[in-house]
Amino acid sequence: AQSVTQLGSHVSVSEGALVLLRCNYSSSVPPYLFWYVQYPNQGLQLLLKYTSAATLVKGINGFEAEFKKSETSFHLTKPSAHMSDAAEYFCAVSEVIGGGADGLTFGKGTHLIIQP
Amino acid sequence: EAGVAQSPRYKIIEKRQSVAFWCNPISGHATLYWYQQILGQGPKLLIQFQNNGVVDDSQLPKDRFSAERLKGVDSTLKIQPAKLEDSAVYLCASSLLGWGINTGELFFGEGSRLTVL
Repeated sequence: AQSVTQLGSHVSVSEGALVLLRCNYSSSVPPYLFWYVQYPNQGLQLLLKYTSAATLVKGINGFEAEFKKSETSFHLTKPSAHMSDAAEYFCAVSEVIGGGADGLTFGKGTHLIIQP
Repeated sequence: EAGVAQSPRYKIIEKRQSVAFWCNPISGHATLYWYQQILGQGPKLLIQFQNNGVVDDSQLPKDRFSAERLKGVDSTLKIQPAKLEDSAVYLCASSLLGWGINTGELFFGEGSRLTVL
């Protein structure tokens, strides 16, 4: 069974500082990995995804993530935080095994706080 | 392109009452999902449809929850009778590709927030 662990339910950084949100996964087969962002009272929006191509994935709004198989990690980073980045971030994993079901399994989320 | 539409956005009911949520996916999307998001937690998959067939409903509490996707387009999620622990946001999502070849990119609606008193 697949699972996702997000380290830190809340992360606070200063505007302009590096953003690092941690995600570790567990999967019995090579996974697909995703980061979604959720702004207050809105649905989830895809930031980026890893689907077994390049291990360094670039997404929207300046975010990127690196897939590290040896560490079973898929941490999300952004070099310089902006006030508009304040939101809830979810890491998710999907297993596609032949014709099997492929619903995403989400982590519990990390609330990113940007200090002015 | 229109996004995933959900209604109602907010609903308050008393325990043991019933409630229904409606979802209209993006046009042409074969796969539709219902997720439950309890406050402070990540979304949990309740049910996944491929066209009008159920692919996965292993986490759907079938004694009180039901869902259908008639004609492979719109979907309705029903809770009857509701319990206090059903208070959550119910998210509908859709994806373009079908069962087994989905790379997982889901498009989410804004959700329906249920409060059970």
